[in-house]
Amino acid sequence: GQQLNQSPQSMFIQEGEDVSMNCTSSSIFNTWLWYKQEPGEGPVLLIALYKAGELTSNGRLTAQFGITRKDSFLNISASIPSDVGIYFCAGASQGAQKLVFGQGTRLTINP
Amino acid sequence: AAGVIQSPRHLIKEKRETATLKCYPIPRHDTVYWYQQGPGQDPQFLISFYEKMQSDKGSIPDRFSAQQFSDYHSELNMSSLELGDSALYFCASSPPGTVLISGNTIYFGEGSWLTVV
Repeated sequence: GQQLNQSPQSMFIQEGEDVSMNCTSSSIFNTWLWYKQEPGEGPVLLIALYKAGELTSNGRLTAQFGITRKDSFLNISASIPSDVGIYFCAGASQGAQKLVFGQGTRLTINP
Repeated sequence: AAGVIQSPRHLIKEKRETATLKCYPIPRHDTVYWYQQGPGQDPQFLISFYEKMQSDKGSIPDRFSAQQFSDYHSELNMSSLELGDSALYFCASSPPGTVLISGNTIYFGEGSWLTVV
């Protein structure tokens, strides 16, 4: 089945640093979504991408839909303590009725 | 704005018992998805419903069943519970129209914690 490889699995950074994480797929996706999940809570949508090459920002977050349709990245600039959490990429192929999730990137920030 | 509502938030059951989780989608959303997230794992797709019909099926055990009702709420029934069923179960919903095309996306509830002892 479809699989997403998300990296890195974990990041330990200093407050104020920029963060970059990415996802690659073995097959073409038509939609890429980035979610953030905090302990015991449901994933919260951060950014949605629907077009190859699309670059979208949401505050300090920027995500891009790769030209090949098989990858996406998420950047967080000037990280702050509340950015701590697990970030998941998720994708769907054309006409799909489900999302496939990456393994998550656990972000830890040292003040 | 209204979100996806799940109940109960926490549930403790013994092995071999049965559990039912409920999901109330965002108003006017007609598609419901169920995901299972084990400790330290990413969410795994179980099953989805569109307009009260099953639309896709993932790694849902035969011991589990689900349905979507006329008011679009959904229930996930789990029987003969095993210790490995302990997980966070998410419901998500999306609005009418071709799913995951621009403007249509999936919103998650806060999850139901199931602990099997």
